[in-house]
Amino acid sequence: GNSVTQMEGPVTLSEEAFLTINCTYTATGYPSLFWYVQYPGEGLQLLLKATKADDKGSNKGFEATYRKETTSFHLEKGSVQVSDSAVYFCALFDNYGQNFVFGPGTRLSVLP
Amino acid sequence: EAQVTQNPRYLITVTGKKLTVTCSQNMNHEYMSWYRQDPGLGLRQIYYSMNVEVTDKGDVPEGYKVSRKEKRNFPLILESPSPNQTSLYFCASSYKTAINSPLHFGNGTRLTVT
Repeated sequence: GNSVTQMEGPVTLSEEAFLTINCTYTATGYPSLFWYVQYPGEGLQLLLKATKADDKGSNKGFEATYRKETTSFHLEKGSVQVSDSAVYFCALFDNYGQNFVFGPGTRLSVLP
Repeated sequence: EAQVTQNPRYLITVTGKKLTVTCSQNMNHEYMSWYRQDPGLGLRQIYYSMNVEVTDKGDVPEGYKVSRKEKRNFPLILESPSPNQTSLYFCASSYKTAINSPLHFGNGTRLTVT
């Protein structure tokens, strides 16, 4: 079946550090890929998405590239801020089964 | 404003007392889903619905029921809640046919079963 694997957290960084959160997936066919962010006390919000191989999604300084050859969708940001502290979820949409699958989430804490 | 509305935000109940968590969306989305979020386990899908009168089990459906009589509403029913159903619950919706349609989430319902 389909699955999403993320790096274990929590991840703690200093402000302005470089961020990478790894995400790999297993899916039949060609899924759409997403990163969602959950700020404390809130629901998940879409951060960025990519719908086909080599697409790059970007938003708020975050980027992720759909790599079909490595089945990966790693999240990166060049310089994190304290306000980026949140839980980040990698997810895929299975276009055949017509359903979403989420990774376990990675908690990021950014210290001033 | 486009949104997914869950009620209540917080609920404390006792074992065995039936409860319903409501979910409503105003975006005419076909797809709706319920998730539970637990520490260390991430987001797990309970049930989902592709359209009115169509529902399917997710990864953890035991102890839950859902119904989809109207497009906008997707209530989650716990007929006989147990303490292991203490969790944070999220409802979400999206368009079914657009492959790049993201999920829109409600703000969550924190349920405690004693």
